Amino acid sequence: DIVMTQSPDSLAVSLGERATINCKSSQSVLYSSNNKNYLAWYQQRPGQPPKLLFYWASTRESGVPDRFTGSGSGTDFTLTISSLQAEDVAVYYCQHYYSTPFTFGPGTKVDIK
Amino acid sequence: EVQLVETGGGLIQPGGSLRLSCTASGFSVSDNYMSWVRRAPGRGLEWVSIFYTAGVTYYADSVKGRFTISRDNSKNTVYLQMSSLRAEDTAMYYCATSDYGDNVFANHWGQGTLVTVSS
Repeated sequence: DIVMTQSPDSLAVSLGERATINCKSSQSVLYSSNNKNYLAWYQQRPGQPPKLLFYWASTRESGVPDRFTGSGSGTDFTLTISSLQAEDVAVYYCQHYYSTPFTFGPGTKVDIK
Repeated sequence: EVQLVETGGGLIQPGGSLRLSCTASGFSVSDNYMSWVRRAPGRGLEWVSIFYTAGVTYYADSVKGRFTISRDNSKNTVYLQMSSLRAEDTAMYYCATSDYGDNVFANHWGQGTLVTVSS
């Protein structure tokens, strides 16, 4: 099974500052046949269901603000919020969908400093 | 508009059984991958199960042999039959699906149904 790890566990960032979340998979989630990374990012605000932010590691879901960026390949991935807004307070998860089980990372909690 | 509504949660004793339903509107469950994901109190998201369009199903190791995912196309509903429930199955259970063909990543989620396993 592929194990997903995230760092940091939590971070507090001032409004307008950058937040960076890292996600690492225990094996590559890059499919050589189509050169796609089978990695998604989700945001879960308190009391809400998860919301898809990125798929294929860097394809932004419709409606997601462009201050969010997904990047990385193979085993190392990053979610960046370029200018943190109050509505970005949430827990952020990466998930691979390379092979079952489609495990999530443990989550990174983002707060306002 | 795509909508997913989960029902069937509640308080159940350890060892008991419960069936969750996910009723869809705005699309046919037979045309989409349908997933169940849960979040236990104070913990992160956990992938539980998936029903592929072709009828193939997969489960997390933690629920394999105890949970069964199924689909009723006539009711446009997906189910999660849970048996031999344990305290660690206590969680909010979400149903999810993707607009993007046969893909696992989910851009539509229900609001969830809460399952509490306790004596």
